[in-house]
Amino acid sequence: NAGVMQNPRHLVRRRGQEARLRCSPMKGHSHVYWYRQLPEEGLKFMVYLQKENIIDESGMPKERFSAEFPKEGPSILRIQQVVRGDSAAYFCASSPIATNEKLFFGSGTQLSVL
Amino acid sequence: GNSVTQMEGPVTLSEEAFLTINCTYTATGYPSLFWYVQYPGEGLQLLLKATKADDKGSNKGFEATYRKETTSFHLEKGSVQVSDSAVYFCALTQRAAGNKLTFGGGTRVLVKP
Repeated sequence: NAGVMQNPRHLVRRRGQEARLRCSPMKGHSHVYWYRQLPEEGLKFMVYLQKENIIDESGMPKERFSAEFPKEGPSILRIQQVVRGDSAAYFCASSPIATNEKLFFGSGTQLSVL
Repeated sequence: GNSVTQMEGPVTLSEEAFLTINCTYTATGYPSLFWYVQYPGEGLQLLLKATKADDKGSNKGFEATYRKETTSFHLEKGSVQVSDSAVYFCALTQRAAGNKLTFGGGTRVLVKP
């Protein structure tokens, strides 16, 4: 059973471009969480999705950021018009049920904005 | 709101040394407490957890005790190995917060042979 797969591992964008980060949860997992780790800081919750639904987006910046988890395919975190402050490691985690007791993390996507 | 504070690293140790990583938290009610570990190039893995006061979580020789009176959950290992080199994150969650994890800043541990 493959783990949580995130791609790309590293993403370089220039200011103003769009960044799309993908997360394929573990097989059988329908709950996905996105976290962001800014340099020298801990992980901060961004958004929690369950298949086709956003359950909690209280950690998402109000502008430029969006997330989806379609019925088919990976979860996507989309950042429009990136700025240097978006440079961070973005981690995805999945679980089979709505709990942190069985949360599995991916290896993360390192976004660098030039 | 909830917060987690853990000691800054890096912590550099020799093999077989004793490791302690301090973690304190601020939360209302009764959170569940976790330690996650991130080995180089990998995602975070749950190392151990405790869900109520005085519980002791343990795994792979690591231990942490949920101390409500001091709001702490310090991680300890009696004899570290080179393979324990990683970043360790203390975290908490509460049902009232929708089960979102609140993480500390992480502590990098480097064990030298």
